Amino acid sequence: SQQGEEDPQALSIQEGENATMNCSYKTSINNLQWYRQNSGRGLVHLILIRSNEREKHSGRLRVTLDTSKKSSSLLITASRAADTASYFCATANSGGSNYKLTFGKGTLLTVNP
Amino acid sequence: DVKVTQSSRYLVKRTGEKVFLECVQDMDHENMFWYRQDPGLGLRLIYFSYDVKMKEKGDIPEGYSVSREKKERFSLILESASTNQTSMYLCASSLWTGGTVADTQYFGPGTRLTVL
Repeated sequence: SQQGEEDPQALSIQEGENATMNCSYKTSINNLQWYRQNSGRGLVHLILIRSNEREKHSGRLRVTLDTSKKSSSLLITASRAADTASYFCATANSGGSNYKLTFGKGTLLTVNP
Repeated sequence: DVKVTQSSRYLVKRTGEKVFLECVQDMDHENMFWYRQDPGLGLRLIYFSYDVKMKEKGDIPEGYSVSREKKERFSLILESASTNQTSMYLCASSLWTGGTVADTQYFGPGTRLTVL
């Protein structure tokens, strides 16, 4: 089955720096979503970008989508220690089982104060 | 705000026990999901329900069953718990968008189940 693959698996930066995480996927999608998970907790939805959109912003988050390359990136600007978490991309397939999201394995972001 | 609650944060059971994990959402969502999350394997879908009494198998349904008697409540059942079912279990809900597009999912806090 299709799966989003995040890159890198782990990222460590200093507070105030920008963090970029990438996601690649294999088949056609309706939308791509990014979620955050703090250690030992549930996932929290961050942003959804549709297949006909190329860029989307939400506060300090910027998401891009390149459907020709089947890839997306999540940029967190001016990072804070509170941004330390795992970040997952999830793809909503076009056709087939269209209720499902397929999650990647995540990028663990550590923001050092 | 959508709220999804799970009956326990931590649970310890013995091999062979029947285990019930319950999930309740308060936003009248049609869709509800059960996932398990394991290190290195990410989130894997166990079962999905799009309406009361309706269910579909996900990617790893073996050893699990589900029950949805009311719209707001979705239960995951381990008929005979085994050690390989030790995991973090996450429940989620979402709106039904006509079956065309998977919408945003709202997650509960998770239940960390240990089977001894």
